[in-house]
Amino acid sequence: NAGVTQTPKFQVLKTGQSMTLQCAQDMNHEYMSWYRQDPGMGLRLIHYSVGAGITDQGEVPNGYNVSRSTTEDFPLRLLSAAPSQTSVYFCASSYSMVLGDGYTFGSGTRLTVV
Amino acid sequence: KQEVTQIPAALSVPEGENLVLNCSFTDSAIYNLQWFRQDPGKGLTSLLLIQSSQREQTSGRLNASLDKSSGRSTLYIAASQPGDSATYLCAVGEGAQKLVFGQGTRLTINP
Repeated sequence: NAGVTQTPKFQVLKTGQSMTLQCAQDMNHEYMSWYRQDPGMGLRLIHYSVGAGITDQGEVPNGYNVSRSTTEDFPLRLLSAAPSQTSVYFCASSYSMVLGDGYTFGSGTRLTVV
Repeated sequence: KQEVTQIPAALSVPEGENLVLNCSFTDSAIYNLQWFRQDPGKGLTSLLLIQSSQREQTSGRLNASLDKSSGRSTLYIAASQPGDSATYLCAVGEGAQKLVFGQGTRLTINP
C-alpha cells in the first residue's frame, strides 16, 4: 500500500514554462486536494476534488489547472510558471471527511521557478 | 472565513519535560481536527484525528483534546524526547472537504 505518491520530488522551471505535478493514491479515496506551503503562509488549498469528474477551486487557484479523470489520479498543471509559484506542493487524499476520515499527505514536490 | 492560530510559534524545552501545544480556530462548525508532524524538508505525518463529536484522542505519549465551543485544541506530549523535535501543525476539517491549517509550532527538544 503506497498511500499518496507525488512526482517529481524536485523541479526547476524557467518563467513561462508549463508542467504537470503528478499525484496518485491507491486507497480508493474519493477526496483529493492540492496545497502549497510557503514560509510564513502555512499550507493553502489550491484545488480539490470530491470525486472523478468533479473539481473545484480552493483559496489560491490562479495559475493552476486540475482534472480528475480517475479516482486514483489528480494532476496539477502549471500553465505558465511564475517565480511566485516557487513553493512546496502537497497532494492529499481522504475517504470522507463527512464520515470523520482524516487526510493522508504525499511527500511533496519542491518547485523552483527562475 | 475559518482562521486557525497556533501558539507559540516556536518552543524549546529540555528532554523529559511534558509540554502542551495550542491551536485555536474561529468557526466551531468543523468536521474534525487533525494534528500533523512535519520534519524539515519532509511531508506531513498524521498524528491524531479528533472527530467533531469527540473530546480527545490518545496515541502513545500524545494526547489531543478538542473543545469546539471555545474553539480550542491542545496537543499534549508526555516525557519529550529529542526525536520529537519537528514542526507540529494543526488543521481543521470543514465543509467541501477542506483543511484549514495553522502556521505551526516549531518544537525543539534539547538533550
